[in-house]
Amino acid sequence: DAGITQSPRYKITETGRQVTLMCHQTWSHSYMFWYRQDLGHGLRLIYYSAAADITDKGEVPDGYVVSRSKTENFPLTLESATRSQTSVYFCATADRALNQPQHFGDGTRLSIL
Amino acid sequence: DQQVKQNSPSLSVQEGRISILNCDYTNSMFDYFLWYKKYPAEGPTFLISISSIKDKNEDGRFTVFLNKSAKHLSLHIVPSQPGDSAVYFCAASERNDKIIFGKGTRLHILP
Repeated sequence: DAGITQSPRYKITETGRQVTLMCHQTWSHSYMFWYRQDLGHGLRLIYYSAAADITDKGEVPDGYVVSRSKTENFPLTLESATRSQTSVYFCATADRALNQPQHFGDGTRLSIL
Repeated sequence: DQQVKQNSPSLSVQEGRISILNCDYTNSMFDYFLWYKKYPAEGPTFLISISSIKDKNEDGRFTVFLNKSAKHLSLHIVPSQPGDSAVYFCAASERNDKIIFGKGTRLHILP
């Protein structure tokens, strides 16, 4: 009964490295989202997906890549990490519509040195 | 340009009293509004929502009021309890589009 699992919970990496944050859901919800939470900015949408193989940009997509080959997984990749990408990242799902109340994972705290 | 604004970064309320969290929005096309609650080291959890066809929605101790003419909504928590200490996010969407979140208000319930 895990619902949404994000891994890792904490990650420290260096500038220029590639890092992938994982998100797995057990509900088979259609929609999946990636947000970042920063002090003074609240929650900002990075990318979202309406179904397998369908992804779209959110408010702050630059520097990030997503894929969704299976309904249950929605990994987020930082291809060349920068210090400005230090943040807490949340994955979320919604069942039938983009604006339906979303279920969030517990987040990944990412620090880029 | 912020479309959903929570102008109070923090709020302190005595236990047992009413907590009122405010939210303003600029997009008159928003037709669905939500409140989320977030504890430290956890993801946000959905609390309550309201459609623009209503002006009030109640769920236990939580009531959301919507004033469309003022583009303002508020979340009332009565009575406030220690477990209500958290960050509260206001959010809005337009016609089944993406949800846009405010920056959040940290609520402290004082013993």
